[in-house]
Amino acid sequence: KNEVEQSPQNLTAQEGEFITINCSYSVGISALHWLQQHPGGGIVSLFMLSSGKKKHGRLIATINIQEKHSSLHITASHPRDSAVYICAVGGGADGLTFGKGTHLIIQP
Amino acid sequence: NAGVTQTPKFQVLKTGQSMTLQCAQDMNHEYMSWYRQDPGMGLRLIHYSVGAGITDQGEVPNGYNVSRSTTEDFPLRLLSAAPSQTSVYFCASSRNSGTAFRYNSPLHFGNGTRLTVT
Repeated sequence: KNEVEQSPQNLTAQEGEFITINCSYSVGISALHWLQQHPGGGIVSLFMLSSGKKKHGRLIATINIQEKHSSLHITASHPRDSAVYICAVGGGADGLTFGKGTHLIIQP
Repeated sequence: NAGVTQTPKFQVLKTGQSMTLQCAQDMNHEYMSWYRQDPGMGLRLIHYSVGAGITDQGEVPNGYNVSRSTTEDFPLRLLSAAPSQTSVYFCASSRNSGTAFRYNSPLHFGNGTRLTVT
């Protein structure tokens, strides 16, 4: 079973700061997902990537397959970015393995 | 465009009662799955389905049943509720179902069901 570790577990930052959330996994995968869980509980898919880098607005996700590591970056952070960010990896018949999440708070 | 619809949003059960959590999607997704989310733990897969008539167990299937009679619907049944089943449950779907590509499409989640078993 893949082990997924996210860091940091909790992060509080000021509005405008550059944010980095990290995800490491133990077994090779076919895809890695970044999810956002809003304070109200809903979960939204942000990125799905298997190599390189993807960008959507102020969010950037990168993955290094050789190092089994991915990062999620938020530029010019805003209080509305406050959420739990979850990394999930897939590649086997036993389904996606999820990290425990990073609780991000952006203060105005 | 409804996406994934889960009902109910909240439910309180007594130990031993049974109930069904409903999940429906209107995106013609082949892959559907149920997860539970507990404090301090990542989402864990309960059951999944790669198409109508096909279901399989995930990481934590005990105490739950599923069926997939149509592409759209994937209900989760609690047979005899226990306090250990107190959790938040999420249904999710995605486009591809082939083993090599099952997790290579974005997941679409329902809004969750908060279940308390007393």
